[in-house]
Amino acid sequence: AQSVTQPDIHITVSEGASLELRCNYSYGATPYLFWYVQSPGQGLQLLLKYFSGDTLVQGIKGFEAEFKRSQSSFNLRKPSVHWSDAAEYFCAVGVTGTASKLTFGTGTRLQVTL
Amino acid sequence: NAGVTQTPKFRVLKTGQSMTLLCAQDMNHEYMYWYRQDPGMGLRLIHYSVGEGTTAKGEVPDGYNVSRLKKQNFLLGLESAAPSQTSVYFCASSDRSRGYTFGSGTRLTVV
Repeated sequence: AQSVTQPDIHITVSEGASLELRCNYSYGATPYLFWYVQSPGQGLQLLLKYFSGDTLVQGIKGFEAEFKRSQSSFNLRKPSVHWSDAAEYFCAVGVTGTASKLTFGTGTRLQVTL
Repeated sequence: NAGVTQTPKFRVLKTGQSMTLLCAQDMNHEYMYWYRQDPGMGLRLIHYSVGEGTTAKGEVPDGYNVSRLKKQNFLLGLESAAPSQTSVYFCASSDRSRGYTFGSGTRLTVV
């Protein structure tokens, strides 16, 4: 079965600094990969997704992620963080033929200091 | 466009009571899911449905039942609530691997 690891539980960055959130997955073939963001008390919002093709994926709110097959990683990046980016971020993996079920990582909470 | 709507948003139950959480989507999605979210554990799949009249177990199905009598609705039932079921419950719908649309969640406390 597939699995997702987000090794960083909590990250703090200064506003304007760059950001990279790590995500590693375990699956034998090429998975579908997603990043979601959750603001306090809210549901999860899709930031970006990778199915195939270009390994650098652009998403909403200025985020991007790069799929690296050799490292089984799908790290999320943003060149300049805004205070409004403070939230919890979840990486998820899905595989074909499984009714689109997603397996989520445990999340990374991002704090932004002014 | 409402997307995915969950009701209620908050509920407090006593141990042993029953309740039903309702999820409704207006996007004509085939797939629907119920997840629970607990601190430090991410989201775990409870049950899911690939179409009207069909349901299947996810990762943590014990103590829950579901029904999907209509394509747009997916109900999650707790027959006899336990404190271990205190959690935030999220419903989601999907159009075949194109990413989920989530509801805003139901915060359930069992005392």
